[in-house]
Amino acid sequence: DAKTTQPPSMDCAEGRAANLPCNHSTISGNEYVYWYRQIHSQGPQYIIHGLKNNETNEMASLIITEDRKSSTLILPHATLRDTAVYYCIAYYGGSQGNLIFGKGTKLSVKP
Amino acid sequence: DTAVSQTPKYLVTQMGNDKSIKCEQNLGHDTMYWYKQDSKKFLKIMFSYNNKELIINETVPNRFSPKSPDKAHLNLHINSLELGDSAVYFCASRRGAYNEQFFGPGTRLTVL
Repeated sequence: DAKTTQPPSMDCAEGRAANLPCNHSTISGNEYVYWYRQIHSQGPQYIIHGLKNNETNEMASLIITEDRKSSTLILPHATLRDTAVYYCIAYYGGSQGNLIFGKGTKLSVKP
Repeated sequence: DTAVSQTPKYLVTQMGNDKSIKCEQNLGHDTMYWYKQDSKKFLKIMFSYNNKELIINETVPNRFSPKSPDKAHLNLHINSLELGDSAVYFCASRRGAYNEQFFGPGTRLTVL
């Protein structure tokens, strides 16, 4: 079972920042927080990951709380093409690591 | 160039048949995966291969068998297809232990 919980759906206005929350209160110290998204039945797409520190790349920013029990994915300027299901995953990695996908958050970006 | 490719994109077949789905990655990755996404959209891992060795085998029926002829390919063979096998199957690959996985476009399997 997934170790993360996310709201089932969210709306965001085009051009505004989309802030997607994720709770992972039972995450282990060596588990990373990964974010993927799936656009309309395409293959999931990696967005960003982090362990303790906040991370930023060309797609998004990841804010992880100091106690690591929750995180927020930020899409700074959401576009219609960002409409997708977003998955937050606690991932150990290593040779035995599995990506365990939960139900994710359906983000709808509206004009 | 497509990083992770799958063929066919759509596969419609009868119950009881045997079918294969092919996956190729041109990223030089050393680990490849198969995932199943059912009608409720839950995405679950089925297999992973690292350096031609099966290292994860979840509770998948033995009618499903992954075959890796080389590091760039991981094919999925399914024997005696059942209605419940209808789903979208995704192949993925990864380099190293902590790097992101790259997913293929998926193969939609429909068993009639």
